[in-house]
Amino acid sequence: DVKVTQSSRYLVKRTGEKVFLECVQDMDHENMFWYRQDPGLGLRLIYFSYDVKMKEKGDIPEGYSVSREKKERFSLILESASTNQTSMYLCASSSPFYEQFFGPGTRLTVL
Amino acid sequence: DAKTTQPPSMDCAEGRAANLPCNHSTISGNEYVYWYRQIHSQGPQYIIHGLKNNETNEMASLIITEDRKSSTLILPHATLRDTAVYYCIARMDSSYKLIFGSGTRLLVRP
Repeated sequence: DVKVTQSSRYLVKRTGEKVFLECVQDMDHENMFWYRQDPGLGLRLIYFSYDVKMKEKGDIPEGYSVSREKKERFSLILESASTNQTSMYLCASSSPFYEQFFGPGTRLTVL
Repeated sequence: DAKTTQPPSMDCAEGRAANLPCNHSTISGNEYVYWYRQIHSQGPQYIIHGLKNNETNEMASLIITEDRKSSTLILPHATLRDTAVYYCIARMDSSYKLIFGSGTRLLVRP
């Protein structure tokens, strides 16, 4: 079974803190994704990576950056967390043009 | 990617078939129909996808109309654990993007 794991299920941070969300997949997938999910807005793509060190902006990249130094690991970075970044963050991975497999999600609260 | 339309909510009795409709009247020839579901507080789970033929796997069946303007996801014997939000997504074969709409909230009743 494909396994996508995220470093935390719940996280509470303060405004202005730097936040790292980690995602690891064990299926040697080329593609990895970060989404956020908010009530009434559905899932929105933040960033996408199609190879190590390669990334593309999604629909809402502002306030976020990403890092992919190894194929299995994709990190989402909030340089200076703000309250409007309180959300559920979901990581996914896939082979190119195949179905995406999602992690369990990290519920981030920024106070 | 074509827009999809789904009813906001449905319910069915445990043990019965759940038939979830999806309208995608503007779908193009190279767009697949994907179904995912999301159980409360978990990440979305892939269920099935198809292009024009009907598809079946261990989780569900996907029936796509001949004109491809609509499809139905069938859970043949729904259980309480199938209670979830079900998303129907049209995706180009050359695209990495999944655009999630608001989905159908399925409640399976005991």
